[in-house]
Amino acid sequence: DGGITQSPKYLFRKEGQNVTLSCEQNLNHDAMYWYRQDPGQGLRLIYYSQIVNDFQKGDIAEGYSVSREKKESFPLTVTSAQKNPTAFYLCASSTGLNQPQHFGDGTRLSIL
Amino acid sequence: GIQVEQSPPDLILQEGANSTLRCNFSDSVNNLQWFHQNPWGQLINLFYIPSGTKQNGRLSATTVATERYSLLYISSSQTTDSGVYFCAPQAGGFKTIFGAGTRLFVKA
Repeated sequence: DGGITQSPKYLFRKEGQNVTLSCEQNLNHDAMYWYRQDPGQGLRLIYYSQIVNDFQKGDIAEGYSVSREKKESFPLTVTSAQKNPTAFYLCASSTGLNQPQHFGDGTRLSIL
Repeated sequence: GIQVEQSPPDLILQEGANSTLRCNFSDSVNNLQWFHQNPWGQLINLFYIPSGTKQNGRLSATTVATERYSLLYISSSQTTDSGVYFCAPQAGGFKTIFGAGTRLFVKA
């Protein structure tokens, strides 16, 4: 089935540790996105990528990094510089500009 | 940037009741999506509706872009409709702005 796969579903980070969240899509979409959701809140854009080897900062990029080496993959690294990383992270993709976004099932990140 | 306001923030319905959720946005938009986030956190696409009216079963949506609002109608609500409904307009580029959501609980 075509879709977006995020892994792991749950992730725990120790203080000072970098962690990487995986996002893979087999929808042949050009654009991919990472969002953060805090409890009781809407989604906020961290990074987006329009095409392979290109990505742009969203509204809350500090403490995060991404890469887009393959069309189907858009991993997100939560670095130790992100002081409040506990949140629900959602990955999305779309065919392009102004097109509907489709979401993965998310990764819940917590601090040990 | 564009501001999004959803109302009501919380809604409790008896199973079988109808409801209307509203989304106001502060600027012109190129597209607008409605999503349902279920209790497990999954975001489900409901509608892609930059303007006009669309229907899908018991759900329908209307966007009046010139007046900067969108409405989501839920008829004959079911307990599985519970969750959070998000409006997400896109004004330009790749940035999509999510509202704070309407939290719906449908009682059996």
